[in-house]
Formats: sequence, structure tokens, C-alpha cells
Amino acid sequence: SQWGEENLQALSIQEGEDVTMNCSYKTYTTVVHWYRQDSGRGPALIILIRSNEREKRSGRLRATLDTSSQSSSLSITAAQCEDTAVYFCATDRGTQVVGQLTFGRGTRLQVYA
Amino acid sequence: DPKIIQKPKYLVAVTGSEKILICEQYLGHNAMYWYRQSAKKPLEFMFSYSYQKLMDNQTASSRFQPQSSKKNHLDLQITALKPDDSATYFCASSHYRNSGNTLYFGEGSRLIVV
Repeated sequence: SQWGEENLQALSIQEGEDVTMNCSYKTYTTVVHWYRQDSGRGPALIILIRSNEREKRSGRLRATLDTSSQSSSLSITAAQCEDTAVYFCATDRGTQVVGQLTFGRGTRLQVYA
Repeated sequence: DPKIIQKPKYLVAVTGSEKILICEQYLGHNAMYWYRQSAKKPLEFMFSYSYQKLMDNQTASSRFQPQSSKKNHLDLQITALKPDDSATYFCASSHYRNSGNTLYFGEGSRLIVV
């Protein structure tokens, strides 16, 4: 899973497979953001899950959040080549500092045909 | 069309020089941010501005100075450049409200200091 001083993780899967990426965080958060970053581009939000939600779905994406263990996961069902990207989780300190997200190191996902 | 414009996309600078990174957003947001991404560290928050007012600064060095001439502009001036400043600098924007803001990022300005 991604966080802290860990190196960027890498996963390589075949098209059509399911994949889950994990994220653990250290500080209090009200929201976990999942962003994807394509090569040479800026990060883009793909799904956001709040502390009162245990699961959130968006198309082939599913995010979970367990505030007791301070962990979140992002699953992609039936991965496609265009899902190839780096995926980041980020925590949000909410009202303390608006817009200040703390990003994990990310998981580099390669989906091959 | 990109809604957050960052210029330049790439730049090479000499140690000790000064550069300005430009950012304009056309999303109608009232908050703008600078983040930095390098090979050694994850994407890091640097500054936040709302209605042209500095809200938070998490950058230890005063060599980094944000400048906001208009509500939808937030430039980043970097002085006395060092090789360690080499990174991609991302501008982002959002509505300014409580948690769960979606940040929209520009495509970044990749800075190499030699």
C-alpha cells in the first residue's frame, strides 16, 4: 500500500483483470481522494469518499474507507489499457486547511493487452 | 481547451537565477494552490490562496513567493534557484469551502535547475 516513505508501488496486469490498490494514512481525515495521473499530465480526481461512507462506486471504480484502520482502497473492475496511470490517494484535513491535500506516493498501474 | 493554463511547460534554469511560473484558471474558482512533485517526494502542498489572499504556506523557504495579480491568476516566483528545486510545479484550483473540495490541476511546469 502507498504512504509515507514507501517507494512508488508498481502493478502490472492484463486487460480484463480486476485490481485493487491500497492506501493507509496516518492523520485524521474527513475525506479520502483518489486521483489518477497520466504521463506528462496533472492529477485528476476520479473518486472521493467521505468518512461517513464505507464504500463509493463510480462506473468500474470502487473505493472503500475504513476510518478505524485509517485505510482506503481503490478497485478497478475489468481493467482496460486506458486505465494505465499512476493512482494516488490523498487525505484532506478539511476545515483546518482548505485545499491542503496530503498525497501518498502512488501506485503505478500498467494494463497490457 | 485546458481550463488551467500553466506556463512555461518546461524550463531549464541556472543555479542562482530567478524564474516565474505562470498560472491562470478559467473554472470560476475562488481558491488556487501550488503543489510540487519531485522524484524524491510525493506531490506536496506549497501554498493556498483564496480571493487573492494567502491562506496557508507550507513552504519553508522564502525563495518561493506566490503572486496574485487577479482572482484567477496565481504565479510562483522562485529566486536563488538551487538544483534541489528541480521538480514539476502544479497549479490547482477549487471552490473554497470545507472538506471534500475537488482540486483541479494544471498540466504542470517542469523545472530543471543546472
